[in-house]
Amino acid sequence: DSGVTQTPKHLITATGQRVTLRCSPRSGDLSVYWYQQSLDQGLQFLIQYYNGEERAKGNILERFSAQQFPDLHSELNLSSLELGDSALYFCASSVGNGTSAGEETQYFGPGTRLLVL
Amino acid sequence: GQNIDQPTEMTATEGAIVQINCTYQTSGFNGLFWYQQHAGEAPTFLSYNVLDGLEEKGRFSSFLSRSKGYSYLLLKELQMKDSASYLCAVPSNDYKLSFGAGTTVTVRA
Repeated sequence: DSGVTQTPKHLITATGQRVTLRCSPRSGDLSVYWYQQSLDQGLQFLIQYYNGEERAKGNILERFSAQQFPDLHSELNLSSLELGDSALYFCASSVGNGTSAGEETQYFGPGTRLLVL
Repeated sequence: GQNIDQPTEMTATEGAIVQINCTYQTSGFNGLFWYQQHAGEAPTFLSYNVLDGLEEKGRFSSFLSRSKGYSYLLLKELQMKDSASYLCAVPSNDYKLSFGAGTTVTVRA
C-alpha cells in the first residue's frame, strides 16, 4: 500500500459524459501527478500539481482538467468522453521539495479503471 | 523530450537471472527510475540511479552508464511473483517523468 488513495476504483459511463476522478496523496506529500495508461500507449503523463499550483503539463487533452485543493487532494475531470478515453488513470504523489527536475520518487495509487461505452 | 527504449517482452525460468536493458536520450540527465507493475495494478518503485555503476537491492540490481545513455535492471533468483512489467523512467528538467513502454517479464516454472 503506497498511501495514495484513488476513488472510484471502477467507472463505467457513456460517450459524451463527464466524470471526476479523485486522489488523496500520501501524508505530507505536496506534489500530485496524473497519468493515463491504455493498452496501446503505455503510461502517459498528464499533469502535475504542487501545493495547489499547476507545475507541469503533459499530453493532456483540452477536454480534461485537474485541480489540487487546499487539503492537497486532487481531482481529474474528464468531459465529452470518447471511447478512446477508456484507460487506467493513475494518480501519484511525491514529497515535492525537489528541484526543477522530476527526480523525486513518485508513489502511485491503485488507479481508476474507466470504461467508456 | 525523452526517448526511452526497452524490449517488449522477456521470458525466463524460475530461479534464473534476467537482465532488462533500457536506453535513453535526454536533454538533461536527472537520474533514472525503474518501476515494477503487475497487470492491472499500480507501478511500484524499485530503484533510482543518478550516478554510474551498479546498485544492489536484494534480488534486484540496477546499473547506469550516463555516458552511454544506458541502464539495466537485473533480476536474480527469479520467482513466479516477479512476472510483471518493468518500466524504465527518466525525469526531465520540466518536472516531468517519462516512462518507457515497459518490458513484460514472464517467469516459467
